Amino acid sequence: AQSVTQPDIHITVSEGASLELRCNYSYGATPYLFWYVQSPGQGLQLLLKYFSGDTLVQGIKGFEAEFKRSQSSFNLRKPSVHWSDAAEYFCAVGALSGGYQKVTFGIGTKLQVIP
Amino acid sequence: DGGITQSPKYLFRKEGQNVTLSCEQNLNHDAMYWYRQDPGQGLRLIYYSQIVNDFQKGDIAEGYSVSREKKESFPLTVTSAQKNPTAFYLCASSTPTGGTGELFFGEGSRLTVL
Repeated sequence: AQSVTQPDIHITVSEGASLELRCNYSYGATPYLFWYVQSPGQGLQLLLKYFSGDTLVQGIKGFEAEFKRSQSSFNLRKPSVHWSDAAEYFCAVGALSGGYQKVTFGIGTKLQVIP
Repeated sequence: DGGITQSPKYLFRKEGQNVTLSCEQNLNHDAMYWYRQDPGQGLRLIYYSQIVNDFQKGDIAEGYSVSREKKESFPLTVTSAQKNPTAFYLCASSTPTGGTGELFFGEGSRLTVL
């Protein structure tokens, strides 16, 4: 069965600083990998996804993520954080199971941005 | 604009009552899902449906029921058998089986049991 680990529950960064959110996954084959963002009391929005090809993936809002098969990681990065990036971030892994795309989410990392 | 509409946004229920959460999508997606979100636990899958008149249990289906009579609609009923129903519920949809699996989410419904 697939699983996702987000080791950091809370992260605080200063506005303008760089950001890296960690994500490790467990799955036997090449997975589909996602990062979603959630503002308080809202649904989730897709930031970026990886299926194959270039291991460095660009997403919306200036985010990028790098797939590293050897480390089973898919860390999310942003070079300069804005106050509006404060939210909760979820890493997810998807895999086909009986014709169904099963998506498993990590527990999330809550990002606080300080001035 | 295409999207997923969940209602109500907030719902209060007395213990022992069933409640139904609505989820409607106009994205023409075949697959629809219900997730439950609790602090520190991420999202857990309750039920999913790949086509009309068919649905499958997810990881935490006990105490919940669903129906899929129309492609656009996937309501979730939280029954009195659900022991701890207070949570944030998210409905999602995705492109057909074999697609990229990207999920599109509604804005959620927060259920509080009094």
